[in-house]
Amino acid sequence: KNEVEQSPQNLTAQEGEFITINCSYSVGISALHWLQQHPGGGIVSLFMLSSGKKKHGRLIATINIQEKHSSLHITASHPRDSAVYICAVNSGSARQLTFGSGTQLTVLP
Amino acid sequence: NAGVTQTPKFQVLKTGQSMTLQCAQDMNHEYMSWYRQDPGMGLRLIHYSVGAGITDQGEVPNGYNVSRSTTEDFPLRLLSAAPSQTSVYFCASSRFPPVFNTGELFFGEGSRLTVL
Repeated sequence: KNEVEQSPQNLTAQEGEFITINCSYSVGISALHWLQQHPGGGIVSLFMLSSGKKKHGRLIATINIQEKHSSLHITASHPRDSAVYICAVNSGSARQLTFGSGTQLTVLP
Repeated sequence: NAGVTQTPKFQVLKTGQSMTLQCAQDMNHEYMSWYRQDPGMGLRLIHYSVGAGITDQGEVPNGYNVSRSTTEDFPLRLLSAAPSQTSVYFCASSRFPPVFNTGELFFGEGSRLTVL
């Protein structure tokens, strides 16, 4: 069983829709990361969370430590948001980060 | 701009050839790592380093070699390329290793390697 599960695997939305991507994990963590990967491009860090909620522009990330769950929300989605979104956890007791397999988001105009 | 510089972006090799993927960061980060990304799978750790002179194996180290002679540089060597090493490779760095809170993660742009 993967320690980090993302859902959905694929998501198609119309421009302007509110989008939610979920990440569940099974280990205790010191931090959770949300990353974005554009087609053919590199990976950029969107958020690092230890608790609560963070907002950057139209992106909002939340985390519930007790439920071992995090969500990434995109408000007023735009085609340029089309990318793979990856969740990664920093368990603190492990030598490495654990990555989810990613959510492919496509926003249609 | 500060960040992680990774080269080359594309490479085609024949089975048995060797090559080195270069990775450099200018943020004085302690932790550097190499991942491979294959379709349908999450990023898998190949090797990592927690500082100059210190390296260790990750999840999928076979067929790869690393060294860290300086804080800035962390090259990945393919000793004798095999078709199973066809993948996209990412170098990443962070201020601290994952046994602590890493801080923000920084990734290179990726290297697409094809082994024929």
